Amino acid sequence: GEDVEQSLFLSVREGDSSVINCTYTDSSSTYLYWYKQEPGAGLQLLTYIFSNMDMKQDQRLTVLLNKKDKHLSLRIADTQTGDSAIYFCAEKATGGTASKLTFGTGTRLQVTL
Amino acid sequence: NAGVTQTPKFQVLKTGQSMTLQCAQDMNHNSMYWYRQDPGMGLRLIYYSASEGTTDKGEVPNGYNVSRLNKREFSLRLESAAPSQTSVYFCAGIAGAGETQYFGPGTRLLVL
Repeated sequence: GEDVEQSLFLSVREGDSSVINCTYTDSSSTYLYWYKQEPGAGLQLLTYIFSNMDMKQDQRLTVLLNKKDKHLSLRIADTQTGDSAIYFCAEKATGGTASKLTFGTGTRLQVTL
Repeated sequence: NAGVTQTPKFQVLKTGQSMTLQCAQDMNHNSMYWYRQDPGMGLRLIYYSASEGTTDKGEVPNGYNVSRLNKREFSLRLESAAPSQTSVYFCAGIAGAGETQYFGPGTRLLVL
């Protein structure tokens, strides 16, 4: 079955760039997503990328997709304390009609002053 | 949270009690989902519904039942709660491009 892996923790200084990495196993994934979860809150969609793209940029966020290595990354430029949260990578399972997602375990981003 | 609401926000149950978690979406999409979130395990799919009147098991369905009451509502029922079901439960629906799932705010459940 599908599997999505992320590192558990990342610490960066305010103003630096953060890079959160994710690997997945389903080579036929069509969409890959990044969600952000702040303490006590639900998951907020940050961005997604279609599998025929290599890169997507949205303001401070840059998503890179390497399909050959099944590697997805999220770069946050000029990281702020408000970016402290858990970030989840997810892939859309292929087949069927219900757009099921497989989530990674999440990367906790800590932003220090 | 793009039109997904959940009730209640918090609940404490005793082992063996039953309860129903409610979810409603206003995105007019067919598919809805129930997940549980446990520390260090990300989100795991409990059940999903591809359309009104249909439901299917996800990764961890044991101990749960669901009802797709209509296009808007998808409820999750615990018939006999167990401490292992202590978790945060999220409902999701789909909206917009990318077949994107949007999540409700969650229900925090503690089973004693």
